[in-house]
Formats: sequence, structure tokens, C-alpha cells
Amino acid sequence: AQSVSQHNHHVILSEAASLELGCNYSYGGTVNLFWYVQYPGQHLQLLLKYFSGDPLVKGIKGFEAEFIKSKFSFNLRKPSVQWSDTAEYFCAVQSGGSYIPTFGRGTSLIVHP
Amino acid sequence: DAGVIQSPRHEVTEMGQEVTLRCKPISGHNSLFWYRQTMMRGLELLIYFNNNVPIDDSGMPEDRFSAKMPNASFSTLKIQPSEPRDSAVYFCASSSGANVLTFGAGSRLTVL
Repeated sequence: AQSVSQHNHHVILSEAASLELGCNYSYGGTVNLFWYVQYPGQHLQLLLKYFSGDPLVKGIKGFEAEFIKSKFSFNLRKPSVQWSDTAEYFCAVQSGGSYIPTFGRGTSLIVHP
Repeated sequence: DAGVIQSPRHEVTEMGQEVTLRCKPISGHNSLFWYRQTMMRGLELLIYFNNNVPIDDSGMPEDRFSAKMPNASFSTLKIQPSEPRDSAVYFCASSSGANVLTFGAGSRLTVL
């Protein structure tokens, strides 16, 4: 079965620090990849997505992610985080033509002002 | 569009009581998902509907859980009888095909 691993469960940074959150998946075929964000007390919302084309994807609020097929990875990056980026971040993968995304366990990011 | 609408937002009930959570997906979306979020297990898929038909219910924990989608604009998730370990946030999400999911605000369930 498909699995999605987010290796960092909790990340604590100071404002202006750089961020990289890891995401690896197990499926070897065609995949659609997503990062969702859940701000405190809110519902999940899309941060960015990759379906095809340029493997470097730009999202909202200065986030980007890079799809590296050979490494089965889709890591999320931001060069300079802000206090308002404090949230839970979820990586998700749709594979094999399935409409059902599999979510990772999530990474809790706390940014200190 | 008002987005995915869930009700109630908060529910506190006693063990053994029946709980019904409701979801109105985005108009035109043909896929609907129910997820459960807990600290211990993260975000788990409970059931997936496509065109109102349950396609994958392998995540439904046990017979106490049931879900229906009588039409394209309404779905329910029922727990009967409820137990303390069912306490969680239940999210409904909808999408159009293999695409981005739009989540509702969630229903926070506390079973005492």
C-alpha cells in the first residue's frame, strides 16, 4: 500500500530562518503531490501542488517544493519563515490514477518571533 | 461558493449516545471524503464517495461507524454507540476528480 513519510514531526525555528520539511512516498508510478497547511484552529488548505511539468513548484506565501522522482521526495522549502507560518504541514500523494490522497502524519512548525 | 460546510462544529456527548455529523460539499464536486484527525494517528481516511457511491470504506473503524450520501449535496457520518476513543476532529472534504481537496472547518467531537 501507498505510504507517505514526513520525517520531521516537530520543528521549531526563529523568524527569518530557512525551512525545509521532508516528504517521501513509496509509490513508483505516476503521482500527484500536494502540501496542505493547517493554521491553528483552522481547516486544511492547499499550499501547493505538483501534477506534471517543472519539478520546482511555487506556492502561496513564498513556499516552494521540489519533486525529485529518483528520490521519491517532495520537500517543502521557504527561505525565510515568519511567525505567521506557525502551523501544521501535511504532505499528500495521489497515485496510480486513484482519487484518494494519502496523507503524511504532518509536521508541526513553530516559529518564534 | 461557501466552501465545504460541516455541522456541528463542536459536539460533546456521553458514551453510548448516537452522533451524527453532516457535510455539504462544494456544488459540482463529485468526490467526497471523510477524514478523522487525532494527535496519535494523524489524518486518517474513513470513507470516500464518488458520485454519491461509497468506493472505499476500508478506513471505517468498525460497525459503530456508518456513512451515507443520499444525494450530491449532502453526506452524514454516524457513530452509534459513541465511545471516548472516538473523540477527534472529523473533516469532510470534496474534490472534482483527481484534484485538490477542499476541506470543511471540521467537527470536533468529544465523547465523555
